[in-house]
Amino acid sequence: KAGVTQTPRYLIKTRGQQVTLSCSPISGHRSVSWYQQTPGQGLQFLFEYFSETQRNKGNFPGRFSGRQFSNSRSEMNVSTLELGDSALYLCASSSRDSRSLAFFGQGTRLTVV
Amino acid sequence: AQTVTQSQPEMSVQEAETVTLSCTYDTSESDYYLFWYKQPPSRQMILVIRQEAYKQQNATENRFSVNFQKAAKSFSLKISDSQLGDAAMYFCAYPGAGSYQLTFGKGTKLSVIP
Repeated sequence: KAGVTQTPRYLIKTRGQQVTLSCSPISGHRSVSWYQQTPGQGLQFLFEYFSETQRNKGNFPGRFSGRQFSNSRSEMNVSTLELGDSALYLCASSSRDSRSLAFFGQGTRLTVV
Repeated sequence: AQTVTQSQPEMSVQEAETVTLSCTYDTSESDYYLFWYKQPPSRQMILVIRQEAYKQQNATENRFSVNFQKAAKSFSLKISDSQLGDAAMYFCAYPGAGSYQLTFGKGTKLSVIP
């Protein structure tokens, strides 16, 4: 089984731009979660999608949004980028059978300049 | 809100020795899971070990084992016969009840000295 795939792996954007990150979960997994990892704040939960519905959202501004498609692939979007959005964005997928176990992708490293 | 605390930002261990990483958490749930994840320089989060709270027996995966003290809400990771490849950030994580949302500790950076 292929693992969780995140694209792109690296991204450089300018302040004020917007960015879209993609995550393809493990086949059969219907839950996709997103996390932001920074040296200062550590790993913070962004949001979780299950069967195209957002089930949970972390404490992030409205500039951060996401969606999930019928094939379970998910995208997250950040608009009006700020320098502080520079981070590693991790996606994780889970299945109902995995008992809360999350499988992570390799992440997208976003740098905002 | 659930909290997960890792009180050791950095630790080091000699190759072939044993090291224990600490984690405490806070929850009002009675049945839950706890995880230790490893993040090497490649940045991919890799599951090390999982513990089910209702099980009395501590989980073990090869050289990795946990000391789970439910009443104390403590979940430490023991690495035996440490290897150079064990050098990484280690995160303790707790998923909310009925959710896949993980709350992570701040992590412990483990260095392995040859």
